Amino acid sequence: QVQLVESGGGVVQPGGSLRLSCAASGFTFSSYGMHWVRQAPGKGLEWVAFIRYDGSDKYYADSVRGRLTVSRDNSKNTVYLQMNSLRAEDTAIYYCAKDGVMRGHNGALDIWGQGTMVTVSS
Amino acid sequence: DIQMTQSPSSLSASVGDRVTITCRASQSIGSFLNWYQHKPGAAPKLLIYDASSLQSGVPSRFSGSGSGADFTLTISSLQPEDFATYYCQQSYDIRSFGPGTKVNI
Repeated sequence: QVQLVESGGGVVQPGGSLRLSCAASGFTFSSYGMHWVRQAPGKGLEWVAFIRYDGSDKYYADSVRGRLTVSRDNSKNTVYLQMNSLRAEDTAIYYCAKDGVMRGHNGALDIWGQGTMVTVSS
Repeated sequence: DIQMTQSPSSLSASVGDRVTITCRASQSIGSFLNWYQHKPGAAPKLLIYDASSLQSGVPSRFSGSGSGADFTLTISSLQPEDFATYYCQQSYDIRSFGPGTKVNI
């Protein structure tokens, strides 16, 4: 079945780095854009980043631009989120999600992973 | 950037009630509006896409309407499993979510 599984979360000190992975299965990964969305404790959902199906374009929320980088490896059906210069306010559950439009960029997020927790603390 | 607002921020309702949640965008977004349900400890779930299209597998008691900048999510008869937080999200220009509406018993 269609599935997204995140990994790589953990506890990291302020200023540190972490790389999240999201492994996809059950659909043609190379035909769909992928998103990262986060939820800080007690807060709502915040869209973080998007990468087009072929990796040709990437978009970021202002709050993470320059510190977080999205990438993908279509041969491994995996999307990544490299997180550098982490701050306490980056503490959140990070979800990857599939865009609903094939080779598009205006779709809804139709499939979500279960999320991975990132805690930034000294 | 497009800002999304929702009202109310929370509501109390009973099983069988009709529930309406509104969402407003800071500019016209056509029909590029989606609705999600989120329960604690679970992944968010897409309910409605393109303002009024029901996602496959979602019960027909959920419906969406609107276009331009004003949108509505309606639950026609609230069920016990519908107590959750609901978010609108625009997909017109990159993405942004509304602040959420928590539906309580």
